Amino acid sequence: KAGVTQTPRYLIKTRGQQVTLSCSPISGHRSVSWYQQTPGQGLQFLFEYFSETQRNKGNFPGRFSGRQFSNSRSEMNVSTLELGDSALYLCASSGGTAYTEAFFGQGTRLTVV
Amino acid sequence: DQQVKQNSPSLSVQEGRISILNCDYTNSMFDYFLWYKKYPAEGPTFLISISSIKDKNEDGRFTVFLNKSAKHLSLHIVPSQPGDSAVYFCAMNYGGSQGNLIFGKGTKLSVKP
Repeated sequence: KAGVTQTPRYLIKTRGQQVTLSCSPISGHRSVSWYQQTPGQGLQFLFEYFSETQRNKGNFPGRFSGRQFSNSRSEMNVSTLELGDSALYLCASSGGTAYTEAFFGQGTRLTVV
Repeated sequence: DQQVKQNSPSLSVQEGRISILNCDYTNSMFDYFLWYKKYPAEGPTFLISISSIKDKNEDGRFTVFLNKSAKHLSLHIVPSQPGDSAVYFCAMNYGGSQGNLIFGKGTKLSVKP
């Protein structure tokens, strides 16, 4: 069974640009969550999508948005990039019901210069 | 304020001995608890979980203990192996929040041969 796939693995963008990251969940999983990992703040929850609907949202500005497609693949978009957005962005998939573990992809390393 | 704390940033143990990683939390609503292992430049790997109806769960060399009254979670690794060297994160949520995991900031475990 294929795991969670995130593309691209690495990105370098300029301040003010926008970026789109992609996540393909494990087959059959309907929930996709996104997290930001930085050295100072650790792993922080961005949002979760379940059956194409945003089900939960973390405490991030509106520049961070996402969507989920009918095949459960998800994209995350960050507009008007700031230097502080440099981080490892991780996607996790799960079956979407309570008390089930989430499986993570390898992440996308975003560097904003 | 941090809801989940891993107070030891690092831990060093000898191969073959027990590794004990600790995690404290403040939100009494949390009822599902997980441990993840993470290598640099990779996504977290799920290790083991426990729900609040239990106080212990074992899987091979890994045992998770939950003390709800103390709001304390621990992971025991016996025996420790050099390949266990990684950063370990505890994570938790409550059943109603499904994809929204709250993470501790991690403990770096080094297992010396």
